[in-house]
Amino acid sequence: DQQVKQNSPSLSVQEGRISILNCDYTNSMFDYFLWYKKYPAEGPTFLISISSIKDKNEDGRFTVFLNKSAKHLSLHIVPSQPGDSAVYFCAASAGGTSYGKLTFGQGTILTVHP
Amino acid sequence: DAGITQSPRHKVTETGTPVTLRCHQTENHRYMYWYRQDPGHGLRLIHYSYGVKDTDKGEVSDGYSVSRSKTEDFLLTLESATSSQTSVYFCAISVGGLSSNSPLHFGNGTRLTVT
Repeated sequence: DQQVKQNSPSLSVQEGRISILNCDYTNSMFDYFLWYKKYPAEGPTFLISISSIKDKNEDGRFTVFLNKSAKHLSLHIVPSQPGDSAVYFCAASAGGTSYGKLTFGQGTILTVHP
Repeated sequence: DAGITQSPRHKVTETGTPVTLRCHQTENHRYMYWYRQDPGHGLRLIHYSYGVKDTDKGEVSDGYSVSRSKTEDFLLTLESATSSQTSVYFCAISVGGLSSNSPLHFGNGTRLTVT
């Protein structure tokens, strides 16, 4: 049972445009959500997070939106750059002592074309 | 990179042999985790540790054991490797403790192939 799902295996966008990556979850106990970026042969790198008490969090070109009623979150990258090309994972946890016990989605491969 | 070193970076082993992967950190962080990454599954938690000699099982712990006799080292052992354990293994640490201000930092992984 996949509790966190990224239904788009890949996304291709033009440099300068917006990239929107989506993630759905089923576990109502999740209250902390994160996005990680991963390049080949490297470990995942933390990008941005949001707790369930918020519906938006922004950090530079990256914005995460959380819709709790729909159990859906999205990552917006504006403007997209070729260096953003990577695999993006969304992850969730139940908080408290479970903060580090993350449940990950399958990942979305983002390709940004110059 | 939060001072995380995983060794070896690559390993090929035969079915039935024992294998130990090492995660070493230089900054005395208390919370450490082992994840595996497989196509179609993202990353999945194998075991975690909240301190020396304090470990517990994650989502996919069958066939794995861990040990943490020193703060800086978290070892993952496959007692008898199987082909289903072919994967990329990532160690992670929580730099600031257990809070929403302390996302996990990951090492660069160990690619394990079991033939």
